[in-house]
Amino acid sequence: ILNVEQSPQSLHVQEGDSTNFTCSFPSSNFYALHWYRWETAKSPEALFVMTLNGDEKKKGRISATLNTKEGYSYLYIKGSQPEDSATYLCASDAGNNRKLIWGLGTSLAVNP
Amino acid sequence: KAGVTQTPRYLIKTRGQQVTLSCSPISGHRSVSWYQQTPGQGLQFLFEYFSETQRNKGNFPGRFSGRQFSNSRSEMNVSTLELGDSALYLCASSLDGHSYEQYFGPGTRLTVT
Repeated sequence: ILNVEQSPQSLHVQEGDSTNFTCSFPSSNFYALHWYRWETAKSPEALFVMTLNGDEKKKGRISATLNTKEGYSYLYIKGSQPEDSATYLCASDAGNNRKLIWGLGTSLAVNP
Repeated sequence: KAGVTQTPRYLIKTRGQQVTLSCSPISGHRSVSWYQQTPGQGLQFLFEYFSETQRNKGNFPGRFSGRQFSNSRSEMNVSTLELGDSALYLCASSLDGHSYEQYFGPGTRLTVT
């Protein structure tokens, strides 16, 4: 994988549902994997920065896991709420050039 | 502490003109990165400045340039504007580069007519 890919592109869930998204990234020369939440009319906000294979981070109802050997990360939201509606972006810091390469995001809509 | 600020927030320019955007990072942050966001393209990395030096550069033409001052404030300049330069330009500051959380400003919405 040369680019950062996110799936699904969009997701509609009901309030209370749990959901998860995937971020695939280049596994060679890996430094860090970022997750951000971008709400409409606001700026992207950092959720997690993960660096170690097998790492798992949690913030409230949101958690993320990281597999640097196979180049993927999962973001989980437990018991989705309408305020979780946003675009969730991941970005990979990898390679010799040390640039943050961003995925296109997963757009989540939580219906009350 | 104060967040990242960007000025101006909105800008309308004509093709061929040039524009300068400004970004003030969070106090203590030495790294400032610039991104272009257009529908369907996601965030595209423009460049990163650290301690007044450009540390990294994305794949944008030379019309896009930037600089960073001793107080870590950064400016981005686009010369000879094209219609395709219409976008949201975001800057983000961090303690020291891409392994650290990026703190984003509100962005500058540039429209080129």
